[in-house]
Amino acid sequence: DVKVTQSSRYLVKRTGEKVFLECVQDMDHENMFWYRQDPGLGLRLIYFSYDVKMKEKGDIPEGYSVSREKKERFSLILESASTNQTSMYLCASRPPGLAGSSSYNEQFFGPGTRLTVL
Amino acid sequence: AQSVAQPEDQVNVAEGNPLTVKCTYSVSGNPYLFWYVQYPNRGLQFLLKYITGDNLVKGSYGFEAEFNKSQTSFHLKKPSALVSDSALYFCAGTSFSARQLTFGSGTQLTVLP
Repeated sequence: DVKVTQSSRYLVKRTGEKVFLECVQDMDHENMFWYRQDPGLGLRLIYFSYDVKMKEKGDIPEGYSVSREKKERFSLILESASTNQTSMYLCASRPPGLAGSSSYNEQFFGPGTRLTVL
Repeated sequence: AQSVAQPEDQVNVAEGNPLTVKCTYSVSGNPYLFWYVQYPNRGLQFLLKYITGDNLVKGSYGFEAEFNKSQTSFHLKKPSALVSDSALYFCAGTSFSARQLTFGSGTQLTVLP
């Protein structure tokens, strides 16, 4: 079974702190994603990466950055945490496969990190 | 821009009755559509997907979904609901030209004993 792990289930930080959220997957997936989940808004994509050292902005990248130095690890960084970044953060990975073929695969999600910024 | 809509925030159904969770989509070209389920304090679990082929897709835990191109819908269904089906359900979609999955806002399903 694919396993996606996230470094913390619950995290409490103070405004202005630098926050690191770590995600590790064990199935050699090229694609990795960071989402935030807020009630009534569903999941919104922050950043994604389709290869080591590659990253692309999602729908809401402001206030965030990412790092992917190794294939299995994708880190989300809040440079200066703010209260409006209090949320559930979900990491996901997806096996390779081009859209347009029957091999377009689903994403596998970690358990999430509930971040509270005070 | 692509979008996915789940028009119902909450669906209540009695145990043993059929359930439907609605989803409509707007994508360019042929859609790739997914359903995920989230139990409390957990990540999302994949239920089923439509890529191509039969309009009726069967998935995990007895769920199925019907792709309707003319109505741009992908409703999730189950013939007989269980209390354990109570969870938050997300529809998601993308297309060949898009590089990311777009999620709906989620529907909280409650199955009443």
